[in-house]
Amino acid sequence: AQTVTQSQPEMSVQEAETVTLSCTYDTSESDYYLFWYKQPPSRQMILVIRQEAYKQQNATENRFSVNFQKAAKSFSLKISDSQLGDAAMYFCAYRSGNAGGTSYGKLTFGQGTILTVHP
Amino acid sequence: GAGVSQSPSNKVTEKGKDVELRCDPISGHTALYWYRQSLGQGLEFLIYFQGNSAPDKSGLPSDRFSAERTGGSVSTLTIQRTQQEDSAVYLCASSLVLSSALFPQYFGPGTRLLVL
Repeated sequence: AQTVTQSQPEMSVQEAETVTLSCTYDTSESDYYLFWYKQPPSRQMILVIRQEAYKQQNATENRFSVNFQKAAKSFSLKISDSQLGDAAMYFCAYRSGNAGGTSYGKLTFGQGTILTVHP
Repeated sequence: GAGVSQSPSNKVTEKGKDVELRCDPISGHTALYWYRQSLGQGLEFLIYFQGNSAPDKSGLPSDRFSAERTGGSVSTLTIQRTQQEDSAVYLCASSLVLSSALFPQYFGPGTRLLVL
């Protein structure tokens, strides 16, 4: 079974600064996808960024980028120029790319990291 | 366009009662997923549907939980004889298709269930 670990229960950053959230995962699969979701107090999970394991290039979405280290099974999220609206719980998630697996449709989430942004 | 919607937003019930939670996926999305978010267990996958079919029900916590999807659209998660440990936020998500993770899951706002 796959597991996802976020070792930072809480992080804080000053507005306009950069912060990195850590995520490690464990899998024996070679084909998979990794995601970062943001959950503000409204509860709605919002997709931040996605990485396909077969791609070596790190994904980037505006101020959000990832550092994907496949051999180390590490998938960290970097938020640049932090804004007050970035304050939320951030979840790292794993999805199998193995269409034959029974857990194919399932997202496995880490425990989450609460990000506080100070003005 | 409209996102995933869930109803009710909040539900308070008494132990032993049955509850129904509803999910309306994004129009045209064929895959639908239910998750549970609780303080003790974090985010847990419950079940997914491809069309009206749920191939894997092993994520449901007990036989008091059931889910159905009709017409390839709306889904209902039913909890019978609710227990206090069922208190959680129940999240629904949908994606265009199941067969490719390139189509991400989009989540609804969740239903917060409190069992007294």
